[in-house]
Amino acid sequence: DGGITQSPKYLFRKEGQNVTLSCEQNLNHDAMYWYRQDPGQGLRLIYYSQIVNDFQKGDIAEGYSVSREKKESFPLTVTSAQKNPTAFYLCASSPRRGVGNEQFFGPGTRLTVL
Amino acid sequence: GESVGLHLPTLSVQEGDNSIINCAYSNSASDYFIWYKQESGKGPQFIIDIRSNMDKRQGQRVTVLLNKTVKHLSLQIAATQPGDSAVYFCAENPTSGTYKYIFGTGTRLKVLA
Repeated sequence: DGGITQSPKYLFRKEGQNVTLSCEQNLNHDAMYWYRQDPGQGLRLIYYSQIVNDFQKGDIAEGYSVSREKKESFPLTVTSAQKNPTAFYLCASSPRRGVGNEQFFGPGTRLTVL
Repeated sequence: GESVGLHLPTLSVQEGDNSIINCAYSNSASDYFIWYKQESGKGPQFIIDIRSNMDKRQGQRVTVLLNKTVKHLSLQIAATQPGDSAVYFCAENPTSGTYKYIFGTGTRLKVLA
């Protein structure tokens, strides 16, 4: 059963804590992405990776970090430096590097800072 | 529940009618577009895509129309069903050599029984 999985579905964090969101895909896709979704706004790109051991900052990378040690995994760490981390986080992947490729999303993780 | 979608434009249609959802995209150089459906609390679901060398593409019960002159994209859903109720948004993929997508804020579709 191929697809993109994200865990956990809901995550609660205290202020000052770092948390890591998991994203795994078994689609053999090259590119992976992390987005943040806030009410009434379009998806905003946090980080993306076109290939293993390489990743690029998106539009709102401050306060976030990622790694891409394996093709199928692209975890996102939300650090204490992120001022407003409460949001819905979406991971996505694309089959090939390059523009003009389908992008598929995981089910999302809702992060709430207490 | 999921709060994404607050204050979005809403389209209400009667079950069985056709729905048309519109999107104005921003970059005249964009050459690839995707329509997504997002149900409350879930990730976006790929519906249909279209490249800029086409002006129409049909899927199962859905049609996407592209008007490059006015940078407009539309999604037509035939015989709208209750399960079509969701937020729909478009995405454009610019040809600037990046791998970034630009996403619209979306339209909420409500299907009335």
